[in-house]
Amino acid sequence: AQTVTQSQPEMSVQEAETVTLSCTYDTSENNYYLFWYKQPPSRQMILVIRQEAYKQQNATENRFSVNFQKAAKSFSLKISDSQLGDTAMYFCAFMKHGAGSYQLTFGKGTKLSVIP
Amino acid sequence: ETGVTQTPRHLVMGMTNKKSLKCEQHLGHNAMYWYKQSAKKPLELMFVYSLEERVENNSVPSRFSPECPNSSHLFLHLHTLQPEDSALYLCASSQGADHSPLHFGNGTRLTVT
Repeated sequence: AQTVTQSQPEMSVQEAETVTLSCTYDTSENNYYLFWYKQPPSRQMILVIRQEAYKQQNATENRFSVNFQKAAKSFSLKISDSQLGDTAMYFCAFMKHGAGSYQLTFGKGTKLSVIP
Repeated sequence: ETGVTQTPRHLVMGMTNKKSLKCEQHLGHNAMYWYKQSAKKPLELMFVYSLEERVENNSVPSRFSPECPNSSHLFLHLHTLQPEDSALYLCASSQGADHSPLHFGNGTRLTVT
């Protein structure tokens, strides 16, 4: 079974600064996908970024980027130039590769507050 | 604007009531999901439907009964719930491929009294 650990229950960052959210996972799989989801107060979970484990290049999506360390089973999210709208819960998630694989395993989340 | 719509947004029910949660997706996806989100716990996958067939049932108590009449609609029928079932229930959809990202609705906040 896979597990996902987010060791920072809460974090805060000044507006326009950079913050990194950590995520580690445990799996015996070699091929899989990793995700970061954002859940603002509106409650809707929104996909922020996705990484395929077979790709060595770190995924980037505008101000969001990841540091994927496969050997260390680490998948941190960096938010640059933080904005007030980035205030939300952030969830790291893992999914096995393979047809018919629907199980998305989530961490407990990190509550990020962006301070004006 | 979300492509996945959940109703009601809030629901308070007694332990002897019967109610249903509704989810509708407008994205043309062929897989739909129910997740439970409780405080201080990771999201828990409850049920998955692919092409209207249930493909995953994660040991959910029988007081929760899903229904997927077509690929755009998903229901969660509730009866004789317990107070510990109070949580945010999230519906999601995906294209059904193994790595397709999920698109979530805004959830139904359920309180069982």
